[in-house]
Amino acid sequence: DTGVSQDPRHKITKRGQNVTFRCDPISEHNRLYWYRQTLGQGPEFLTYFQNEAQLEKSRLLSDRFSAERPKGSFSTLEIQRTEQGDSAMYLCASSPASGGITDTQYFGPGTRLTVL
Amino acid sequence: AQSVAQPEDQVNVAEGNPLTVKCTYSVSGNPYLFWYVQYPNRGLQFLLKYITGDNLVKGSYGFEAEFNKSQTSFHLKKPSALVSDSALYFCAVRDAYLGNNAGNMLTFGGGTRLMVKP
Repeated sequence: DTGVSQDPRHKITKRGQNVTFRCDPISEHNRLYWYRQTLGQGPEFLTYFQNEAQLEKSRLLSDRFSAERPKGSFSTLEIQRTEQGDSAMYLCASSPASGGITDTQYFGPGTRLTVL
Repeated sequence: AQSVAQPEDQVNVAEGNPLTVKCTYSVSGNPYLFWYVQYPNRGLQFLLKYITGDNLVKGSYGFEAEFNKSQTSFHLKKPSALVSDSALYFCAVRDAYLGNNAGNMLTFGGGTRLMVKP
């Protein structure tokens, strides 16, 4: 068990560019979550996958954001036409297949995005 | 809707003294409550959770939390603080009323910075 991994750890981009982040969950975890954390705030839920199905999306996830989990393993989060307001830490978490709504989410180290 | 409040932005405590980090919540049904800790430039590390049963929950690194339904609180405690406990602490809630189909989104509080001084 190597934990949740995220790549890259840091990303600096110019406004208007597209960026893509990757998350590799803990093996055998079939649930995967994306959160966004801005400076001085707690994480805010963005979206949730069970296997390859995206089951829930927050209103925070505008049309410029898209997330995929094509084979039920790793996930990608893409932001198109980035804006300065997208600057944040993007956190990925996963939880066990055996769990239900009480399961613990285990977080990765995050990807810090800076939009210039 | 589910919400969490952490009324203190920062808590200062001397090493060896007991510490408390406060958390209150609001849900429609029964709450599932979690505490996480975040060190600089790191993700969140799970400390403990309350699902049901004993109101006093014990977790990692000597931390514990007490669930109080009448006060809608879930305060984090430790009998003797260490300098290495200095970090950002987040309380989170999941409303059981939402059911399985609503997903497993957690709602986090704004965080409390714990500073333990030698």
